Amino acid sequence: AQSVAQPEDQVNVAEGNPLTVKCTYSVSGNPYLFWYVQYPNRGLQFLLKYITGDNLVKGSYGFEAEFNKSQTSFHLKKPSALVSDSALYFCAVRDGRDTGRRALTFGSGTRLQVQP
Amino acid sequence: GAVVSQHPSWVICKSGTSVKIECRSLDFQATTMFWYRQFPKQSLMLMATSNEGSKATYEQGVEKDKFLINHASLTLSTLTVTSAHPEDSSFYICSPAGLAGVFGTDTQYFGPGTRLTVL
Repeated sequence: AQSVAQPEDQVNVAEGNPLTVKCTYSVSGNPYLFWYVQYPNRGLQFLLKYITGDNLVKGSYGFEAEFNKSQTSFHLKKPSALVSDSALYFCAVRDGRDTGRRALTFGSGTRLQVQP
Repeated sequence: GAVVSQHPSWVICKSGTSVKIECRSLDFQATTMFWYRQFPKQSLMLMATSNEGSKATYEQGVEKDKFLINHASLTLSTLTVTSAHPEDSSFYICSPAGLAGVFGTDTQYFGPGTRLTVL
């Protein structure tokens, strides 16, 4: 079984400051890790993913995430937050070796609030 | 990324009626479709997985006779909520998965979602 934990329901940060949204995962095989953002009453928008290769992954809108195998973490980061980054962020995982089940398992979500 | 549409985006219906939600992958062939449900302030939960031309596989606790899924073509899948009740009120999101090499099989893209409110 696979699971994702996002320990913070909400993260508050001032505009211009760096932000971090935490994610840890559990999967028996190779982790395929993803970050998505959701705006109110909208579907999920893909931000970035880690499949293999460099542990630091760069994605859309200036976001990046670092894969840490020993800590089973995949924290989302951005050097300088914008008010428009305020949204709901989901971390997701699937087992890369499981070619049969390709659905993602999502974390509970973290609401990011960027104050002007 | 892939372009996915859902229709309707918002629907209100009376208890006991059926509602059909369409999901279209506009720029690639979706051999697999995932349907998720999201309750307010909660995460996405997988409801079912369907492969084009075959019956859907439902997650534990999801009633297959209540949530009918049709995936008759590579660009269209439908989810029908039959005899809807207020507890079925939720945000339904589809996610098509395509052939290898087309946007890769690694990344899942999602439709914009359908907000269902059952009175």
